[in-house]
Amino acid sequence: QQQVKQSPQSLIVQKGGISIINCAYENTAFDYFPWYQQFPGKGPALLIAIRPDVSEKKEGRFTISFNKSAKQFSLHIMDSQPGDSATYFCAAYMDSSYKLIFGSGTRLLVRP
Amino acid sequence: DTAVSQTPKYLVTQMGNDKSIKCEQNLGHDTMYWYKQDSKKFLKIMFSYNNKELIINETVPNRFSPKSPDKAHLNLHINSLELGDSAVYFCASSPHGAGTDTQYFGPGTRLTVL
Repeated sequence: QQQVKQSPQSLIVQKGGISIINCAYENTAFDYFPWYQQFPGKGPALLIAIRPDVSEKKEGRFTISFNKSAKQFSLHIMDSQPGDSATYFCAAYMDSSYKLIFGSGTRLLVRP
Repeated sequence: DTAVSQTPKYLVTQMGNDKSIKCEQNLGHDTMYWYKQDSKKFLKIMFSYNNKELIINETVPNRFSPKSPDKAHLNLHINSLELGDSAVYFCASSPHGAGTDTQYFGPGTRLTVL
């Protein structure tokens, strides 16, 4: 049972463009939504995270937009760079479960 | 001074064998995890230990047995390996096991079962 649905599966963007990755969740008990970035041959690393009491969080070129009523959240990468090429995972967490539920991942390629 | 380390990085073995993957963290964290990443990159929690106590035990075959000799180590032993066990296994740790903690992942162990 996939509780966090992520799209698209892969994304190609030109350098300087905006990359947008979307996630949707089902369980309204989720209360923390991180994004992880994974480079080939490496483990995932936390990129940015948001709580559902805010609609947007920005850190540098990375922004999370959160729509609680629609149960959707998205990652926007502004001015995308070739160095951003990686796989991005959204995730969701609820306190009672102790575990992160990951989306299926989006492979981003930023062309020079 | 790697934060979360795993050995070996690559493991190639025959079906039916028993193998272990070791994980160590030097971050002083209380909680450690094992994740499995399949060929489609899907990342799924398998186990979690908090202060050497098992707190997450997902529906995995009982051929998989985690062992935490101390807070800094979480090993994964797999008996009677099957083709479907081929995947990348990641160890991770977090300060307290709280959901809002950042999880720090190791570099992964790529297991190939022939």
